[in-house]
Amino acid sequence: QSALTQPRSVSGSPGQSVTISCTGTSSDVGGYNYVSWYQQHPGKAPKLMIYDVSKRPSGVPDRFSGSKSGNTASLTISGLQAEDEADYYCCSYAGSYKVVFGGGTKLTVL
Amino acid sequence: EVQLVESGGGVVQPGGSLRLSCAASGFTFSSYWMHWVRQVPGRGLVWVSRSNTDGSGTSYADSVKGRFTASRDNAKNTLYLQMNSLRAEDTAVYYCAMGPSYQFDNWGQGTLVTVSS
Repeated sequence: QSALTQPRSVSGSPGQSVTISCTGTSSDVGGYNYVSWYQQHPGKAPKLMIYDVSKRPSGVPDRFSGSKSGNTASLTISGLQAEDEADYYCCSYAGSYKVVFGGGTKLTVL
Repeated sequence: EVQLVESGGGVVQPGGSLRLSCAASGFTFSSYWMHWVRQVPGRGLVWVSRSNTDGSGTSYADSVKGRFTASRDNAKNTLYLQMNSLRAEDTAVYYCAMGPSYQFDNWGQGTLVTVSS
């Protein structure tokens, strides 16, 4: 199980949009619609932001959206706010009842 | 309100054993898959194990297979992780998480396991 590939860092100014990519293979991201995204602030537990590629749990702002094309999933955050500054992790089902995470992306709001 | 509270972490010598517990409340525990996920401080999340609703089905990351065993007691609303033959690279914060399948809707606050002589 190799970790999914995410950029180590992205940044944007308040009000702008940023997109975080998550690249896997046909055995994980590309093979299933079980991609989820998590936000983690320092010292806190992760929080589910997107599941099943593009679905938002109740309470997550619609500024957060997810998509997938081939072996790459993406998380887009529009209208950036200061509180969006955090680490973001993608996650995918990888077959055989196993799960794989991405290495994480640090989002900085300038 | 969903609550997941991990316990049982601590310092253990290489080769030793430890059992983690995750006490659940605020939801129908027996209806959800439960997972363990770990994170080395300052590093990324790594999935460790999955337990289906009645505990009859478990799966593990290759790095822990054969050494770790996940189990659950639905009468006590508690998930367990028995960790044997511990190695320095098992040092991490261990989170329990719940979800309907391969997503993690809610997480505990984690318990720190340190493997060191």
